[in-house]
Amino acid sequence: KQEVTQIPAALSVPEGENLVLNCSFTDSAIYNLQWFRQDPGKGLTSLLLIQSSQREQTSGRLNASLDKSSGRSTLYIAASQPGDSATYLCAVRHDQKVTFGTGTKLQVIP
Amino acid sequence: DVKVTQSSRYLVKRTGEKVFLECVQDMDHENMFWYRQDPGLGLRLIYFSYDVKMKEKGDIPEGYSVSREKKERFSLILESASTNQTSMYLCASTSQGAHQPQHFGDGTRLSIL
Repeated sequence: KQEVTQIPAALSVPEGENLVLNCSFTDSAIYNLQWFRQDPGKGLTSLLLIQSSQREQTSGRLNASLDKSSGRSTLYIAASQPGDSATYLCAVRHDQKVTFGTGTKLQVIP
Repeated sequence: DVKVTQSSRYLVKRTGEKVFLECVQDMDHENMFWYRQDPGLGLRLIYFSYDVKMKEKGDIPEGYSVSREKKERFSLILESASTNQTSMYLCASTSQGAHQPQHFGDGTRLSIL
């Protein structure tokens, strides 16, 4: 059974810092990995999708990497801003299902 | 842009009631999903559907059923609501193909009293 872990569960950083969020998964037979952002009381907003054949994807200040063989992904956020404060979730797609991590709650302090 | 619309943002129902949660997507996606999200447990898959009138159980289907009569609409049904079904319910859709991302609605916060 696929298990997805995100560490740390919570992170607080001053504005302007670069930061890394981690995601690990137990079964490397995945189709893709997706990073989401969730604001309090809201649904999930897709940030980046990495196919199993890819190593990384970039969108603006965000860069996601994937090392399928070691079962790890990182989300790098450059020059963090207070508006980046949210919970960040990673999800791996395998077979017809998607398994989510429990998220990292990020607070960026002005 | 893909739009996934859930009919209610907040819903309060009583124990024993039959509850319907509706989800509509506007991008002709084949696959639709229902999740519930609880603190400390993350998102858990309740049911999903590959096509009209098709449904598959997820990880926690007990106490729920689903209906997909039209491609764009996927309904989650709580046959007899119980207090342990108080949760945030999220609907998602995606097109066929392993490389396609999931798109989510804004969620329904359901309280069972």
